[in-house]
Amino acid sequence: NAGVTQTPKFRILKIGQSMTLQCTQDMNHNYMYWYRQDPGMGLKLIYYSVGAGITDKGEVPNGYNVSRSTTEDFPLRLELAAPSQTSVYFCASSYGQGNTEAFFGQGTRLTVV
Amino acid sequence: AQKVTQAQTEISVVEKEDVTLDCVYETRDTTYYLFWYKQPPSGELVFLIRRNSFDEQNEISGRYSWNFQKSTSSFNFTITASQVVDSAVYFCALHAGNNRKLIWGLGTSLAVNP
Repeated sequence: NAGVTQTPKFRILKIGQSMTLQCTQDMNHNYMYWYRQDPGMGLKLIYYSVGAGITDKGEVPNGYNVSRSTTEDFPLRLELAAPSQTSVYFCASSYGQGNTEAFFGQGTRLTVV
Repeated sequence: AQKVTQAQTEISVVEKEDVTLDCVYETRDTTYYLFWYKQPPSGELVFLIRRNSFDEQNEISGRYSWNFQKSTSSFNFTITASQVVDSAVYFCALHAGNNRKLIWGLGTSLAVNP
């Protein structure tokens, strides 16, 4: 059982470049989330989705976009990379809206130079 | 306002010591859920436990135990006879009311030294 799969695991971007972080889950969860984790700052919610076709902003959405065309996939797009977006990104999914266990991907370490 | 405070930023112990990680939460909702997650050095986040606000029973799972006290708004996590493999960052989180999101603490980094 794969759970939540994120790709890539590592990436270096130049300022101004774009990229998409891929996230897919095979547990048929309706709820999916994107977090970023900066050293000593815990997890901050970027975007979340409560089902296919529905997305909403979290705490720190600026500079990111998401889409949810299927239940399984929840890609995160960075349009114009900035050094402030250097972080570790985690995708997660859950059966319920936040009061149930969340399953996390292995993370993507992104460096913007 | 909803908030989770993990006052201990870093803890260092010697193997076989017992260690308690503190978590204090704030919410005005009467229905809420509390979580602990572990993030080992490999980086992935692993679910440890979920507790709802109506169940104040303490929980024990092997060397891990959790003490939920509504009177002090705390949900503390104790590792008995710590092992090097327990070295990780531990996060406490809160879900309350109709909020669609988890409120995360900043984490406690635990180092268990041989």
